[in-house]
Amino acid sequence: SQQGEEDPQALSIQEGENATMNCSYKTSINNLQWYRQNSGRGLVHLILIRSNEREKHSGRLRVTLDTSKKSSSLLITASRAADTASYFCATDKKGSGGSNYKLTFGKGTLLTVNP
Amino acid sequence: DGGITQSPKYLFRKEGQNVTLSCEQNLNHDAMYWYRQDPGQGLRLIYYSQIVNDFQKGDIAEGYSVSREKKESFPLTVTSAQKNPTAFYLCASAGTANEKLFFGSGTQLSVL
Repeated sequence: SQQGEEDPQALSIQEGENATMNCSYKTSINNLQWYRQNSGRGLVHLILIRSNEREKHSGRLRVTLDTSKKSSSLLITASRAADTASYFCATDKKGSGGSNYKLTFGKGTLLTVNP
Repeated sequence: DGGITQSPKYLFRKEGQNVTLSCEQNLNHDAMYWYRQDPGQGLRLIYYSQIVNDFQKGDIAEGYSVSREKKESFPLTVTSAQKNPTAFYLCASAGTANEKLFFGSGTQLSVL
């Protein structure tokens, strides 16, 4: 079964609006990462948040982590048409020694930003 | 996709045929990974290698094989034992001190 599950599965917004995607997971983690994938391409790393962190920012991206609820959110502010892509969360399970081989990906949220 | 090259971009396999997907990286990363992605799905780990001459099975290794003879290269062979090989295959690498994965641009494998 999937460790991380994104919500919603699909999101359509207008340019300039904010987009929020959520990720829930089942077991304790060392860290949680967000990746972006354009159609037919590889994934690109966006941001990593560790289990002892609550919030992280990178440009127009803001990630929060609530370990008590086993959930994370990715906020993209002032969205642009170029932000159209699938967004995946990936979790590194606690007990895996922080090794990436235990990085488990969710099914992703497809974000469409309309011009 | 910087630093990781996957080839070919599209590959077709005939019944009973083995095919090999190439993955090369120039990032001097120790760890390399192969993932499979089906439409509308997340990524599932096939094989990973944390160091040259060593590799481990991931969650869906049956019907696949790999080798890691050089640090830069981690080819994946899809054998005839893999009955449902049609998917998008992604190779990734990571440095030992860097937890984020760097991905190649993927290979779409289809069955003729």
